Amino acid sequence: GIQVEQSPPDLILQEGANSTLRCNFSDSVNNLQWFHQNPWGQLINLFYIPSGTKQNGRLSATTVATERYSLLYISSSQTTDSGVYFCAVDTGRRALTFGSGTRLQVQP
Amino acid sequence: ETGVTQTPRHLVMGMTNKKSLKCEQHLGHNAMYWYKQSAKKPLELMFVYNFKEQTENNSVPSRFSPECPNSSHLFLHLHTLQPEDSALYLCASSPGLGFETQYFGPGTRLLVL
Repeated sequence: GIQVEQSPPDLILQEGANSTLRCNFSDSVNNLQWFHQNPWGQLINLFYIPSGTKQNGRLSATTVATERYSLLYISSSQTTDSGVYFCAVDTGRRALTFGSGTRLQVQP
Repeated sequence: ETGVTQTPRHLVMGMTNKKSLKCEQHLGHNAMYWYKQSAKKPLELMFVYNFKEQTENNSVPSRFSPECPNSSHLFLHLHTLQPEDSALYLCASSPGLGFETQYFGPGTRLLVL
């Protein structure tokens, strides 16, 4: 099956810093989503982005499908950004395969 | 997000108990999913339903039995579970299969003693 690798596995930032999270995948995909999992376990949709670039406030994402990677940018980070960020892809199985996540801690 | 709800939020059960997890989506979607998130493992798909019909069973042990009576409700019936089944069980829905954004419920945190 498809492999989804996320980096870095852990990231500690000071409030106000910027960061880039990366997701590499091993096969062509027709669906790619970024999620933020809060400390209570809720997965919150950030982006549906099988290709191209999207922005939502301080967050933006870019997927280069031909090179099989996606990037999530977080600018001016806040303590509420802490949690685990997951990349998930669908290759046509019609269900998502998740990466192992990046655990982000933003310190005040 | 309150479009997908799950009950109970927490559950403790013995290995001989029978319990059920419930998921309800209020988004008018046609596809529903069960995922399992164990400690130190990526989220993994368990089941997929589309228009009430099961379209995917990801080699899940028979002690987990899903039920989808309509497009808005999804159940996961549990019986004779093992301690290693302790995990966060997440339900999701999407408008259809494939090229669609999936929306997740808050999860049921299960502990099997």
